[in-house]
Amino acid sequence: ILNVEQSPQSLHVQEGDSTNFTCSFPSSNFYALHWYRWETAKSPEALFVMTLNGDEKKKGRISATLNTKEGYSYLYIKGSQPEDSATYLCASSSGSARQLTFGSGTQLTVLP
Amino acid sequence: DGGITQSPKYLFRKEGQNVTLSCEQNLNHDAMYWYRQDPGQGLRLIYYSQIVNDFQKGDIAEGYSVSREKKESFPLTVTSAQKNPTAFYLCASTNPQANQPQHFGDGTRLSIL
Repeated sequence: ILNVEQSPQSLHVQEGDSTNFTCSFPSSNFYALHWYRWETAKSPEALFVMTLNGDEKKKGRISATLNTKEGYSYLYIKGSQPEDSATYLCASSSGSARQLTFGSGTQLTVLP
Repeated sequence: DGGITQSPKYLFRKEGQNVTLSCEQNLNHDAMYWYRQDPGQGLRLIYYSQIVNDFQKGDIAEGYSVSREKKESFPLTVTSAQKNPTAFYLCASTNPQANQPQHFGDGTRLSIL
């Protein structure tokens, strides 16, 4: 079983602050790294799928980077807003079915 | 609208009873997955299926069974052999070879009476 680790486990920031989280994963047999946002009472929503070392993706105020050689990815949120409050999940993809192994998530709370 | 539908939203099971969770998708996705979430833990893979009439065990398949008779449907049965079935269950689908993210249903919360 791949071991995907996320830190911190939870985070409280003030509205307007920028923040970042870490996802580490085994670099062997790597295929892709996924980031999802999971808001309470909703289903997880895909943010990014990243495959190449050095990849950097952006969606509005959220961006992510990928280092496949050392096995880590960072998710950045610029100017956090209360609606950014959610659990952010990362998952590493492997195997012929590209099955995902998830980390336990980072729970972000943005205080107004 | 295209999406994944899980039912029911809440399910209660008596001791020794099998229950089946429904998952239907109209996204024309080849692969479907079942995950379980417990408090403080990430999603753990129970079973997955890449094509109709084929499925593989995930990391925690014991006490569960699945079928994939149609591309759109991937029901999960929680059997009486699953000793700790109380959890939140999520179904997902994707076309994995196309590097697409997984699309998730809204989940089913299963509790033991």
